[in-house]
Amino acid sequence: GAVVSQHPSRVICKSGTSVKIECRSLDFQATTMFWYRQFPKQSLMLMATSNEGSKATYEQGVEKDKFLINHASLTLSTLTVTSAHPEDSSFYICSAVDSNYGYTFGSGTRLTVV
Amino acid sequence: AQSVAQPEDQVNVAEGNPLTVKCTYSVSGNPYLFWYVQYPNRGLQFLLKYITGDNLVKGSYGFEAEFNKSQTSFHLKKPSALVSDSALYFCAVRPSEAGTALIFGKGTTLSVSS
Repeated sequence: GAVVSQHPSRVICKSGTSVKIECRSLDFQATTMFWYRQFPKQSLMLMATSNEGSKATYEQGVEKDKFLINHASLTLSTLTVTSAHPEDSSFYICSAVDSNYGYTFGSGTRLTVV
Repeated sequence: AQSVAQPEDQVNVAEGNPLTVKCTYSVSGNPYLFWYVQYPNRGLQFLLKYITGDNLVKGSYGFEAEFNKSQTSFHLKKPSALVSDSALYFCAVRPSEAGTALIFGKGTTLSVSS
């Protein structure tokens, strides 16, 4: 089946620094990827939809300048949290959609900003 | 608007007993419904989906779900619970437009005691 690889699984960074999270579709091409944010024991909140070769579409209330999304190829989307602050600490999950496999999720990234 | 409701924050069952995790939905058009499971600090694992066909859908790890159009429900079931089934379960719906992000319920924590 389809596999989405997400890295890193955990990252700790200092306030004010930037962190990049990668999401790769390993055995299929994903023209569309989604980025979610999840708070402890809560649901997944859609942050943005990433389309290969075009600008991401952000959900209402998500700061596009803070959460930079790049989808430069059919197998890679990245989320960069810029000038991170403690309130950005969360669990971030990517998802890719493919016509054959449907929706596949990455294993998530636990971001802790200190 | 499309939405998913999981009315129970937590479900407790004893090992060997049947389990049910409830989900109701509100969509325009035909529903595409999903169940996922999440273990701590992990991504989402696909259990099953309903698109069309039989109302009883069988999925991974012995889980099944029954689509009930009149009650707009898609409850997850398993005849005999295992301790290892303890996790966070999400019901999700795909909006009518193909390739759009899944909308998730708030999640239900399943706790199976030995």
